[in-house]
Amino acid sequence: AQSVTQLGSHVSVSEGALVLLRCNYSSSVPPYLFWYVQYPNQGLQLLLKYTSAATLVKGINGFEAEFKKSETSFHLTKPSAHMSDAAEYFCAVSGGTGGFKTIFGAGTRLFVKA
Amino acid sequence: DVKVTQSSRYLVKRTGEKVFLECVQDMDHENMFWYRQDPGLGLRLIYFSYDVKMKEKGDIPEGYSVSREKKERFSLILESASTNQTSMYLCASLTTRGQETQYFGPGTRLLVL
Repeated sequence: AQSVTQLGSHVSVSEGALVLLRCNYSSSVPPYLFWYVQYPNQGLQLLLKYTSAATLVKGINGFEAEFKKSETSFHLTKPSAHMSDAAEYFCAVSGGTGGFKTIFGAGTRLFVKA
Repeated sequence: DVKVTQSSRYLVKRTGEKVFLECVQDMDHENMFWYRQDPGLGLRLIYFSYDVKMKEKGDIPEGYSVSREKKERFSLILESASTNQTSMYLCASLTTRGQETQYFGPGTRLLVL
């Protein structure tokens, strides 16, 4: 069965600092991997996705993630945090034996300090 | 621009009431999903539908039912609301035409008293 683990339910960074949100997955077949962002009182929107093309995936708002098969990881990074990045971030996996069903991690809330 | 809408942003109901949550998508997507979102638990799949009148149980279907009479509309029904169904409910849709990205509605925050 597929699963997703996000390390850290809360992450706090200073404005301008590096953002690193960790995600590890388990899947018996090459998966599709996603990062979604949820701003307060809104639904989720896609930040980026990995679909077996380039292992370094660039998304919106300056975020990127690297698929590392050997580490079963898909960590999300941004070189310089902005106040507007404060939100909840969800890592997700789909594909393989799960078909199009998507399994979401528990989420990481990002706080950005001025 | 793709759009998924949900009938209510906030809803307050009493224990035992029948509750209907509606979701409409305008993207001609085959698949639609209902999730509930609770702090520390992420999103958990309640039900999904891969075609009109077709439905499949997700991970936590107990206490819920769904209806999909038209392709664009997917309804979630709480037959007899209970306080442990107080949550944020998110609807999503997905095409199987190669994109794999789910599009989410804004959510309905339900409070059951």
